[in-house]
Amino acid sequence: EADIYQTPRYLVIGTGKKITLECSQTMGHDKMYWYQQDPGMELHLIHYSYGVNSTEKGDLSSESTVSRIRTEHFPLTLESARPSHTSQYLCASSPHAPNTGELFFGEGSRLTVL
Amino acid sequence: KNEVEQSPQNLTAQEGEFITINCSYSVGISALHWLQQHPGGGIVSLFMLSSGKKKHGRLIATINIQEKHSSLHITASHPRDSAVYICAVLSNYQLIWGAGTKLIIKP
Repeated sequence: EADIYQTPRYLVIGTGKKITLECSQTMGHDKMYWYQQDPGMELHLIHYSYGVNSTEKGDLSSESTVSRIRTEHFPLTLESARPSHTSQYLCASSPHAPNTGELFFGEGSRLTVL
Repeated sequence: KNEVEQSPQNLTAQEGEFITINCSYSVGISALHWLQQHPGGGIVSLFMLSSGKKKHGRLIATINIQEKHSSLHITASHPRDSAVYICAVLSNYQLIWGAGTKLIIKP
């Protein structure tokens, strides 16, 4: 069983609010990723990190930001939520070189912005 | 055209049937992942393979690099196998995701 956790699992919030989605892993993995997934659609990489103080934007343009101050923690922040941000956000980690190893996923955070 | 295509998009079968889900890709790859996503949203990695065949319990994954095709097979399917099965290929250190195959196994 993977030791990667996301909170909250579900969040309904009003437009303009600031939100932070938390992701933590206890496996000591250097590589961590945030994916966005709309219902019935494929995953899109929005942010990734290869270690502490390292963050990069992914393929899909996103208004969110991330930070990696500690190895185990990779939070994602939206400064001002909009209805277009409604989606599922999945956090993942990997022990190996970029995307060459097994991926471990959290349970996901389903965000609804009214 | 998507670089990773899965078929079928949806599959409904009876318990006990042999299931095959296909994944075709158009780019050069170094590895291919099969993953399972349950209705709650969580994703579990099933296989990562770069050649040949792997087996885990009732699940078998094969890949043909020359034909740029992979298959995921489920033997003696069970309702608990109902999920979305996702194929993702590793190309130039980037993962390219398929849209998934939604599998429903009826008792």
